[in-house]
Amino acid sequence: GESVGLHLPTLSVQEGDNSIINCAYSNSASDYFIWYKQESGKGPQFIIDIRSNMDKRQGQRVTVLLNKTVKHLSLQIAATQPGDSAVYFCAEEDKGGKLIFGQGTELSVKP
Amino acid sequence: GAVVSQHPSWVICKSGTSVKIECRSLDFQATTMFWYRQFPKQSLMLMATSNEGSKATYEQGVEKDKFLINHASLTLSTLTVTSAHPEDSSFYICSARLGAFTDTQYFGPGTRLTVL
Repeated sequence: GESVGLHLPTLSVQEGDNSIINCAYSNSASDYFIWYKQESGKGPQFIIDIRSNMDKRQGQRVTVLLNKTVKHLSLQIAATQPGDSAVYFCAEEDKGGKLIFGQGTELSVKP
Repeated sequence: GAVVSQHPSWVICKSGTSVKIECRSLDFQATTMFWYRQFPKQSLMLMATSNEGSKATYEQGVEKDKFLINHASLTLSTLTVTSAHPEDSSFYICSARLGAFTDTQYFGPGTRLTVL
């Protein structure tokens, strides 16, 4: 069945370092992927998205990479800051327009 | 832009009572709204999809008579948890999408429901 999963449930990085959060998806027909950031007690916040006709997209301090060959998605955060500490979810949109969320990775930034 | 609000942000109720949660898109008209439930340390699970003016579509395993969804306007959807029980305690989150598939979903801040 369709599923989106993350390789690492927790990630701890030093402030200023780059962070890489990974995600695997199983539905090769999916063509839209999104990364969300969720802080404790809050709703998910859109970070960046990518469509299947691209393999890389950059935002402010964030980059999403899509490898359709191995069905892998990653989020790179440059110069990680304490404010980046949160749970990060990848999500895949199915053909019905519904989002399927991965399990989440908790990013902890050490000062 | 693309702000979604929820009310209340938290609610505590007694077992057996009903609770209504509102989801509003503040600066855009949302053709479709979604309701999710999230348990601690877990991911978001879609409960139902709500289109303005039509009946909600519930995911498998979600009781439509227990979780009543109304999407009466393009800016408001409500979720009513009827006859709430402690196991319904959770974080309920809505999202709104402007239009067709592959439009970005914007999420509300969530509502923490605690049933005593």
